[in-house]
Amino acid sequence: IQMTQSPSSLSASVGDTVTITCRASQGINNYLAWYQQKPGKVPKLLIYAASTLQSGVPSRFSGSGSGTDFTLTISGLQPEDFATYYCQQANSFPALTFGGGTKVEIK
Amino acid sequence: EVQLVESGGGLVKPGGSLRLSCAASGFAFSSYTMNWVRQGPGEGLEWVSSITSGSSYTYYADSLKGRFITSRDNAKNSLYLQMNNLRVEDTAIYYCARDLFAARGVFYFDYWGQGALVTVSS
Repeated sequence: IQMTQSPSSLSASVGDTVTITCRASQGINNYLAWYQQKPGKVPKLLIYAASTLQSGVPSRFSGSGSGTDFTLTISGLQPEDFATYYCQQANSFPALTFGGGTKVEIK
Repeated sequence: EVQLVESGGGLVKPGGSLRLSCAASGFAFSSYTMNWVRQGPGEGLEWVSSITSGSSYTYYADSLKGRFITSRDNAKNSLYLQMNNLRVEDTAIYYCARDLFAARGVFYFDYWGQGALVTVSS
């Protein structure tokens, strides 16, 4: 299953609401996770099962979707949110796949 | 505190072999499916392999089958990745990562090691 993220990069300001899209090449139910990775750091799990917030993750992060289309929304972008975000499907096992990433930069 | 510490990375020539280790602490290692994920220089994330808690099942990315072998030693709280016949395109940081839930594999990754750099070059 191919995971296509859009956009590949975006520029936004602190306080903005940002939406990142992930599309699966075939239906994956809700078996989708979102990760955040900052430069030189390891990925951090933000959301799993499409919309469940991982413990300790701020509530400004939210996820939605099912089937083939998913979104990650950051409501009120904070300086520490500038990073690259990846989606990952866990439906088609054992062929887990990640999206290509979306880099969120400061405008 | 959950900790995952990889070791064994380095420079290897094409066709060579390398064995990565991941030492786990701070959780019931034997209860969790464990995973390897890699990231090429400046690139995105790529799932490599998973192994269930009791080693009953191991899974690999299709592109790696036959070259990489994942194993674990629950008595030593350790995960391993034996990499054979390495290619230039295997150059990457290799992360070990814990599955989100114990006892059942859901294949979401909540804890990651700092990674081991593997460079394949002549």
